[in-house]
Amino acid sequence: DADVTQTPRNRITKTGKRIMLECSQTKGHDRMYWYRQDPGLGLRLIYYSFDVKDINKGEISDGYSVSRQAQAKFSLSLESAIPNQTALYFCATSHPNQETQYFGPGTRLLVL
Amino acid sequence: AQKVTQAQTEISVVEKEDVTLDCVYETRDTTYYLFWYKQPPSGELVFLIRRNSFDEQNEISGRYSWNFQKSTSSFNFTITASQVVDSAVYFCALSAGYSNSGYALNFGKGTSLLVTP
Repeated sequence: DADVTQTPRNRITKTGKRIMLECSQTKGHDRMYWYRQDPGLGLRLIYYSFDVKDINKGEISDGYSVSRQAQAKFSLSLESAIPNQTALYFCATSHPNQETQYFGPGTRLLVL
Repeated sequence: AQKVTQAQTEISVVEKEDVTLDCVYETRDTTYYLFWYKQPPSGELVFLIRRNSFDEQNEISGRYSWNFQKSTSSFNFTITASQVVDSAVYFCALSAGYSNSGYALNFGKGTSLLVTP
């Protein structure tokens, strides 16, 4: 089984709808991250968390919120989706003192 | 401020050619980490290598090699005898400490490599 899983893998939604993307990991890592990938722009940080009580905004947090339900689970919500949130979303985890981030398979989101 | 520049947007080579992907970074931190990730057409991100700022040794792993030069702030990636399966987007990334968004990775925009038979 994959160490970092994301659900759903693909999602189509309409403008104004609320949507949640979920991330789970079995690596036992404390640090979790949400990134967004747009064509030609690389990946940009949305939110990150070091534990269930430590959640921080990243470079592009506007329009997004997150929830760290447990060490292993980190969810990203779009409260009211808009078309320019169409992107590929990645969850990542890392262990303190190791720095390397391990990514989930990604969620392709299309907002119509 | 952290910045990673991958000036090559797209590269096309014929199988068995050698190819070098360039990465230039900017940081004021003295301790930092550099990474390369591969994103094949299927979309996942595959970790290739991590290098810390105190280790300038070049590394070779099979057909892959990495050249880290602090003097020029570069961390270049060479694929020797390229194969069709090397076709992917390659990202260089920089991580520079807790104060920089909690060790988050700053990514370059990626280089799309196409290897044709």
